[in-house]
Amino acid sequence: NAGVTQTPKFRVLKTGQSMTLLCAQDMNHEYMYWYRQDPGMGLRLIHYSVGEGTTAKGEVPDGYNVSRLKKQNFLLGLESAAPSQTSVYFCASSNGETQYFGPGTRLLVL
Amino acid sequence: LAKTTQPISMDSYEGQEVNITCSHNNIATNDYITWYQQFPSQGPRFIIQGYKTKVTNEVASLFIPADRKSSTLSLPRVSLSDTAVYYCLVFNILTGGGNKLTFGTGTQLKVEL
Repeated sequence: NAGVTQTPKFRVLKTGQSMTLLCAQDMNHEYMYWYRQDPGMGLRLIHYSVGEGTTAKGEVPDGYNVSRLKKQNFLLGLESAAPSQTSVYFCASSNGETQYFGPGTRLLVL
Repeated sequence: LAKTTQPISMDSYEGQEVNITCSHNNIATNDYITWYQQFPSQGPRFIIQGYKTKVTNEVASLFIPADRKSSTLSLPRVSLSDTAVYYCLVFNILTGGGNKLTFGTGTQLKVEL
């Protein structure tokens, strides 16, 4: 039982490049979330999903897209990366009550 | 939106009890209160959750008054390893939080010898 895993752990992008962050959970949770955390800040919700095939916008969705084609996976895409998207990205899954977080992906956009 | 307010930082010594209070004046009927702990370079980890009165588990207690407009996380006999950021989160149990999930800046607890 791995819980929530994130791929990759660290990535460096140039401005304008695209990439996809993968989140996987093995707890059969319906809810999944993507957050970003900037230095000295709390977590801000980017997008979330309440079930397979569903996605919805969170607090800071601009510049990101998501997909939940399979219940266990939640993908976060950056179509054209910007330096302002340099951050640590956390994925979480939930049974509707407790959220379980992944280890994070550190993204640096130059 | 049940926005939360916590102290930015707290200092303590090993062996002491630490109480961190969170204010959530606009809490709704279906909202639950959850506390998370985050160490540097790690994702937040669930500590405790409650709806009203008192909840206790093996690591902490959560006190919620009758009006539910605040909650207090109590850590008994802290150690150096409890140095972390603590977040209070209020969310709707019926929606899993939806787009109302806001962690805030949290409380940086520093425990010294």
